[in-house]
Amino acid sequence: ETGVTQTPRHLVMGMTNKKSLKCEQHLGHNAMYWYKQSAKKPLELMFVYSLEERVENNSVPSRFSPECPNSSHLFLHLHTLQPEDSALYLCASSQEVQGSYEKLFFGSGTQLSVL
Amino acid sequence: AQTVTQSQPEMSVQEAETVTLSCTYDTSESDYYLFWYKQPPSRQMILVIRQEAYKQQNATENRFSVNFQKAAKSFSLKISDSQLGDAAMYFCAYRSGSNYQLIWGAGTKLIIKP
Repeated sequence: ETGVTQTPRHLVMGMTNKKSLKCEQHLGHNAMYWYKQSAKKPLELMFVYSLEERVENNSVPSRFSPECPNSSHLFLHLHTLQPEDSALYLCASSQEVQGSYEKLFFGSGTQLSVL
Repeated sequence: AQTVTQSQPEMSVQEAETVTLSCTYDTSESDYYLFWYKQPPSRQMILVIRQEAYKQQNATENRFSVNFQKAAKSFSLKISDSQLGDAAMYFCAYRSGSNYQLIWGAGTKLIIKP
């Protein structure tokens, strides 16, 4: 079983749909992250959770709604997305948020296409 | 604001040869950390190597080593004895000692020629 698991691997949705991305980590970590990866652009941090509390929301549009029910699970709820939201969405975890030397463990991402 | 620049969108190297990927960063801080992550076709980002700014000694991990030039704000990654499995996107990242956020470069695609 891999450390960080993301589902689905691929997702195609219309602009009026509602869908959710799921992330699960089996590493006993306290911090979880959502990143957006667009082609030829640096990774963009979207949300950070520490012990199920959101500690960072980087001016992300409200059509993206995160949920962290426990320290092992993280969701990203999507609704009324735009075509420019098409990207690879990566989930990551780390032991703590504040450790500057922290190593991030990533999932394989969800490739999202918005039509 | 801190920035990370990877000036090589793509690099290629012959199998078993050595390749160096460049990374420069801009910061006014003295306490920070630098990282190289690898993203193979499987899309799962993996930490390759990391360096603490206060350490003068360059970090090494088996065939991977860095050339950390603090005054020049340069953090290049050297891969020795390149293998087909090294083919991937490589991302340089910076983290301030006072902030947990990673600042990422745009990545370098490494192609290994058999």
